[in-house]
Amino acid sequence: GAVVSQHPSRVICKSGTSVKIECRSLDFQATTMFWYRQFPKQSLMLMATSNEGSKATYEQGVEKDKFLINHASLTLSTLTVTSAHPEDSSFYICSAPGANVLTFGAGSRLTVL
Amino acid sequence: AQSVTQPDIHITVSEGASLELRCNYSYGATPYLFWYVQSPGQGLQLLLKYFSGDTLVQGIKGFEAEFKRSQSSFNLRKPSVHWSDAAEYFCAVVRDDDYKLSFGAGTTVTVRA
Repeated sequence: GAVVSQHPSRVICKSGTSVKIECRSLDFQATTMFWYRQFPKQSLMLMATSNEGSKATYEQGVEKDKFLINHASLTLSTLTVTSAHPEDSSFYICSAPGANVLTFGAGSRLTVL
Repeated sequence: AQSVTQPDIHITVSEGASLELRCNYSYGATPYLFWYVQSPGQGLQLLLKYFSGDTLVQGIKGFEAEFKRSQSSFNLRKPSVHWSDAAEYFCAVVRDDDYKLSFGAGTTVTVRA
């Protein structure tokens, strides 16, 4: 079945630094990937849609310059949290459509000190 | 806009007892509906989905869900709960035609011995 891999699963960084999270579709190609954010004990909120070969589309209220998304190939999308601050600490999950369903990665927990 | 509501924030059930999780959707046409399960610190796993056809949908891990248009509901059920079913459960609806999902707030299931 379709598998989506996320890396790293956990990352701790200092305030002001940038962190990159990778999302890979392992056995299928994905021209589109989705990035979600989940606060503790809350639901998932769609942040942006990553489009291979073109700019990402962001949901209302999501800062484009804060959350940089690059979809360089048909199997890789990256989310870079720039100049991270403690309020950016969250669980970030990517997903990709495959076989008519969305497959989710295992998520990446970001902690900004 | 398409949305889902999960009225129950937390449900506690005894092992071996039946479980039903409620989900109500708001959508003009026939919705694409999903149930996902999330274990602590993990990504989301698809339990089942409804696109069309038979309104009683069978999923993995012994779960089933019934689509009831008259009640705008898509409730998840399991006849006999196992301790490993303790997790967070999310109902979701496709927001548009492009795999963007709107998630409910989630229901936490606790299983007691």
